[in-house]
Amino acid sequence: EVQLVESGGGLVQPGGSLRLSCAASGFTFSSFWMSWVRQAPGKGLEWVATIKQDGSEKFYMDSVKGRFTISRDNAKKSLYLQMNSLRVEDTAVYYCARTPSSTSCYGDYWGQGTLVTVSS
Amino acid sequence: EIVMTQSPATLSVSPGERATLSCRASQSVSSNLAWYQQKPGQAPRLLIYGASTRATGIPARFSGSGSGTEFTLTISSLQSEDFAVYYCQQYNNWPPITFGLGTRLDIK
Repeated sequence: EVQLVESGGGLVQPGGSLRLSCAASGFTFSSFWMSWVRQAPGKGLEWVATIKQDGSEKFYMDSVKGRFTISRDNAKKSLYLQMNSLRVEDTAVYYCARTPSSTSCYGDYWGQGTLVTVSS
Repeated sequence: EIVMTQSPATLSVSPGERATLSCRASQSVSSNLAWYQQKPGQAPRLLIYGASTRATGIPARFSGSGSGTEFTLTISSLQSEDFAVYYCQQYNNWPPITFGLGTRLDIK
């Protein structure tokens, strides 16, 4: 059974940092692209970042470029999102999603999400 | 950036009836479109990819159609568990990957 479990969310002040993690199981992690998608309270889904199987290609939404870094450790079957210079508008539930490939860039399995709240 | 527009924003349908949800892309996305279902407090669940292919375990009452800029998700006979928010997402021309704002399907 495919499982994705996010952790690392919490309350942080504007300008602060957080590192989200996503632990994967039930599939060959190193064979899949992976993505982060977020959802602000009461709002729709917003794609954040995607990473290739070996980490050699990374893509970001414009508003997080230079502030967020997506990475992965295939040996640990884990995906990460380092978030720096956080803003109030980054407040959201962050989901990790398995992404079949670069030409099939949708989320076929999702974690339960972790809430990030940016507030003073 | 490709803008995805979903209509209507809210749809009220009685159980057992058919629901038709629409999604329009601001430029062609070929058949590179996915549909998701999201219930309150839950993660999104993939329903359809490639505009018309049902994901693993998705009941046959869910069907997707369309290509280019116009897409439809049809639920043939609504069950109580189908009342949720539905999102479309394009992955033809990315980054960025873009989602529609969603259609909320309510019980009439």
